[in-house]
Amino acid sequence: DGGITQSPKYLFRKEGQNVTLSCEQNLNHDAMYWYRQDPGQGLRLIYYSQIVNDFQKGDIAEGYSVSREKKESFPLTVTSAQKNPTAFYLCASTVGGRREKLFFGSGTQLSVL
Amino acid sequence: GEDVEQSLFLSVREGDSSVINCTYTDSSSTYLYWYKQEPGAGLQLLTYIFSNMDMKQDQRLTVLLNKKDKHLSLRIADTQTGDSAIYFCAESSSNDYKLSFGAGTTVTVRA
Repeated sequence: DGGITQSPKYLFRKEGQNVTLSCEQNLNHDAMYWYRQDPGQGLRLIYYSQIVNDFQKGDIAEGYSVSREKKESFPLTVTSAQKNPTAFYLCASTVGGRREKLFFGSGTQLSVL
Repeated sequence: GEDVEQSLFLSVREGDSSVINCTYTDSSSTYLYWYKQEPGAGLQLLTYIFSNMDMKQDQRLTVLLNKKDKHLSLRIADTQTGDSAIYFCAESSSNDYKLSFGAGTTVTVRA
């Protein structure tokens, strides 16, 4: 079955540590996105990539980094510079330009120890 | 991103209709969406409407768009316990790959 897989489902970060969240899709989608979800707030865009080896900052990119070396993979690193990383992180993908076909993964809950 | 606002909570009796409202500010919005999120899960696209339409119906779901007032609503007929979830309104414009989301409306269906 085609879909988007995020791992791990739960992740804990120690002070000063970088952690990487995985997002893999086998839908042959061109564009991939990372969103952050906080309780009582809408989803906020962290980074997005419309093509391999290219990505753009979203609204809240500070303290995060991404790479897009393969079409199917878009990992997100939460660096130690992100002072409030506790949130639910959602990855999404779509065929380029077809925003009505945006598919989401099941999310990763990141918490700080 | 542009502002998208929606009320945070809605409680409805099983079998009644639910109406979730959303307002947005971007007059260049081209697509407007409704997503559903169940606990601990990602978002699932329920339906979407183009800005040149004023209504769309899909089984129990009816979307109404008032472009003049920048108001979008989602009506769920015959609400069931499985409809309990968070519902997000979102919009995007034709020249932007980004979606702007509201804070989500938590719908609770009571027996």
